[in-house]
Amino acid sequence: NAGVTQTPKFQVLKTGQSMTLQCAQDMNHNSMYWYRQDPGMGLRLIYYSASEGTTDKGEVPNGYNVSRLNKREFSLRLESAAPSQTSVYFCASRPREASSYNSPLHFGNGTRLTVT
Amino acid sequence: KNQVEQSPQSLIILEGKNCTLQCNYTVSPFSNLRWYKQDTGRGPVSLTIMTFSENTKSNGRYTATLDADTKQSSLHITASQLSDSASYICVVTGGGNKLTFGTGTQLKVEL
Repeated sequence: NAGVTQTPKFQVLKTGQSMTLQCAQDMNHNSMYWYRQDPGMGLRLIYYSASEGTTDKGEVPNGYNVSRLNKREFSLRLESAAPSQTSVYFCASRPREASSYNSPLHFGNGTRLTVT
Repeated sequence: KNQVEQSPQSLIILEGKNCTLQCNYTVSPFSNLRWYKQDTGRGPVSLTIMTFSENTKSNGRYTATLDADTKQSSLHITASQLSDSASYICVVTGGGNKLTFGTGTQLKVEL
């Protein structure tokens, strides 16, 4: 079982460049999430998609856009990368957002992004 | 403001020893508390969930406790193994299904 797959694993960008982080899950989950993890800070929610066709801002959405391409795929785009976006990005999924407080998040293994 | 604080920040123990990690939270209202294990270079994986009515729950060598009155949880690891070396993250679910993450405790188990 693949679970949640993220690509690429590593990426180096120059300031101002753009890129898209890809995420796909094979667990038939409705809800998908993008987090960033920085040293000394807890995981912070960037955007989420409660179900196919919907997306909502999380705690730190500035500088990012998302697309829920279909039920399986949820991508994160950086239109003009900045050094402050250097981080490890995790995609996660779970069965559904509403009434799902007992369901754990299933995480991918992350994309390590450096912006110089 | 909802907060989750974990201690210690890092910990080194010898293989076979026990250890206890702490999580204090100020999230309100409280739905549940979950412990995740994050191996280096991997995403977090759920270890156990504690709901309001639960005081203690075990998952193999891991035992989690919850004191909802004092808003504290602990994760006790018994007979530690090298594979227990990881970051342990406490996550509290509050109102509106909002998650608040702790910064984690980095555990290293040495021979």
